[in-house]
Order: sequence, then C-alpha cells, then structure tokens
Amino acid sequence: LAKTTQPISMDSYEGQEVNITCSHNNIATNDYITWYQQFPSQGPRFIIQGYKTKVTNEVASLFIPADRKSSTLSLPRVSLSDTAVYYCLVGYNNNDMRFGAGTRLTVKP
Amino acid sequence: NAGVTQTPKFQVLKTGQSMTLQCAQDMNHEYMSWYRQDPGMGLRLIHYSVGAGITDQGEVPNGYNVSRSTTEDFPLRLLSAAPSQTSVYFCASSPGIGRYEQYFGPGTRLTVT
Repeated sequence: LAKTTQPISMDSYEGQEVNITCSHNNIATNDYITWYQQFPSQGPRFIIQGYKTKVTNEVASLFIPADRKSSTLSLPRVSLSDTAVYYCLVGYNNNDMRFGAGTRLTVKP
Repeated sequence: NAGVTQTPKFQVLKTGQSMTLQCAQDMNHEYMSWYRQDPGMGLRLIHYSVGAGITDQGEVPNGYNVSRSTTEDFPLRLLSAAPSQTSVYFCASSPGIGRYEQYFGPGTRLTVT
C-alpha cells in the first residue's frame, strides 16, 4: 500500500538548519519526490524536486539516498517567515500521487 | 497570467444539495487535479486529468464527478453533499505528471451541514 510518512511537527530557532525527512517505501522506479510549503489559507507552493542524490536551489536542498525509500528536505538558516507546513509528494505507479500528512514547522526567535 | 483560479472561495451547503466547484488555469497545462485537505491528513487526490477529454480517479473519488471539456477548465461536481465532504478543496495544474511542479489555486472552503 502506497504511503508517504513525515513527522507531524518540528520546532526550530532562527538561524538554525532544519531537516525534515519523508519516508516513501513503495516509490515507483520513475517517480520524483517533490516538496511543497503551505501557509494558512493558501495553496501549497513548490519548494524543490529531485529523483536521486542531492538537489539544491536558492531556498533548500533535497537529499535522496540510493534506495530512494526516504528523502530529507534541508532548510538552511531558517527565519520566522519559514514557519509553515511542509509536505512531501511522491508519485506511486505514475498517476497515484500521494502527499504526506505534512510537517508543521515552527521557527522561534 | 492569473495562474490557477478557483470559485467560490467559501460555500455552505445542506446535506443532499449538489454544486460545482470551478477551476481554471491559463498556463496551457495538460495535467489538472483536485485535492481535498482535512486536518491531520494532508492533501488527498480526488480526481485528475491528463488532458481534455481524459479523467481518472485518485485516492478518494467517491461522491465526486469531474469532466474536462477544455484544457483550461476542470470543474468538480458534488452530486449529493454529505457532512463528510466538509473540507478545503484545492485545484492544481502542471505541464505533466510526476517530474513537474504543480501550481495550486487558493482553495475553496466547503461546509456541509
């Protein structure tokens, strides 16, 4: 059964690095892993996407081990404005896209 | 570009009523989808479409119908509303499936009493 699992919540302080891990044991061979950020009363917004190894953009890094059964979103030096819910999205069997339940990140001053 | 638009923003229905949630995108994306978001459960895929005239079921399709007559529009129909359908509904579009970023609309908050 396809299932995407991530921690319910995390706390951090401004300036720290935050790592959020998502487990996806049944990921399909050709599917990508995508992370989204969501603020209250808004739709999710794309952060980063990867297939394997490491991907980095201007806001985050994504680490994917060789077996691809998990992935880790890394947010460097978080600020108060990074307080949001973060979702990983994994494709299972091509069209069966499964979001995790979301990780609520709270950044404290 | 307006991106992905959804109407209405809020809606209250009585049990048994029907209604259509509207979704439109102006990015010429082939893939469109509907999700519902419930507390503690993330977003769950209801229906999706890979192009005009083609639709398929997602994880939680029961009680909902969709059609895709044009590339731009992807309405979601509730046939006979039930309290269990109280949720926030998001429409999304992308150039394709899987390796493409999805663009989400602002959501429709639906309450069924």
